[in-house]
Amino acid sequence: AEKVIQVWSTASRQEGEELTLDCSYETSQVLYHLFWYKHLLSGEMVFLIRQTSSSTAKERSGRYSVVFQKSLKSISLIISALQPDDSGKYFCALWELAMGYKLTFGTGTSLLVDP
Amino acid sequence: EAAVTQSPRNKVAVTGGKVTLSCNQTNNHNNMYWYRQDTGHGLRLIHYSYGAGSTEKGDIPDGYKASRPSQENFSLILELATPSQTSVYFCASGDWDSYAEQFFGPGTRLTVL
Repeated sequence: AEKVIQVWSTASRQEGEELTLDCSYETSQVLYHLFWYKHLLSGEMVFLIRQTSSSTAKERSGRYSVVFQKSLKSISLIISALQPDDSGKYFCALWELAMGYKLTFGTGTSLLVDP
Repeated sequence: EAAVTQSPRNKVAVTGGKVTLSCNQTNNHNNMYWYRQDTGHGLRLIHYSYGAGSTEKGDIPDGYKASRPSQENFSLILELATPSQTSVYFCASGDWDSYAEQFFGPGTRLTVL
């Protein structure tokens, strides 16, 4: 079974709108981190934001924020005021202490933002 | 500026040929990783390393070898390339101190004909 699931493979929005990308995960670990990365059209993989399992703070980084529902094993990335440069592929990833230092990635959601 | 670089950025190889993908990091991280990204699979871990001289098998190691001759360098080796290894390959570095965040290189697009 997949450990990290991103249900939507594609999404499209207009410039200025807000988007929520959903991710669900499976883990039995107490300590874990969840990451959102963006794969740029240029090929780079860029770190966006991190959520730690032990934190109840609502993580934010610029126009990015997350909604972390630990009991549901769900994390959503919210991107506000979308810009055409936000187009790209967004990956959710899980890091578990017991699995060493590796990340387990979801299959990603490709976003297209129209001007 | 800390960075992860990969070479080559693009590679076309023939079936049965040997391919070496190189990765260099200036982050001074202990851990380095090789992933491949294919549509419908996200990024999958091929090999990783905890430091110079060490290599560990990831989730899909078959057909690949890895080499970590130094803290900075980590190579992925395809001894006998096959068309199924056509993919985009990412190298990454990271440490526990950075809260497990991994820093990625720009990727290498490999096509095996």
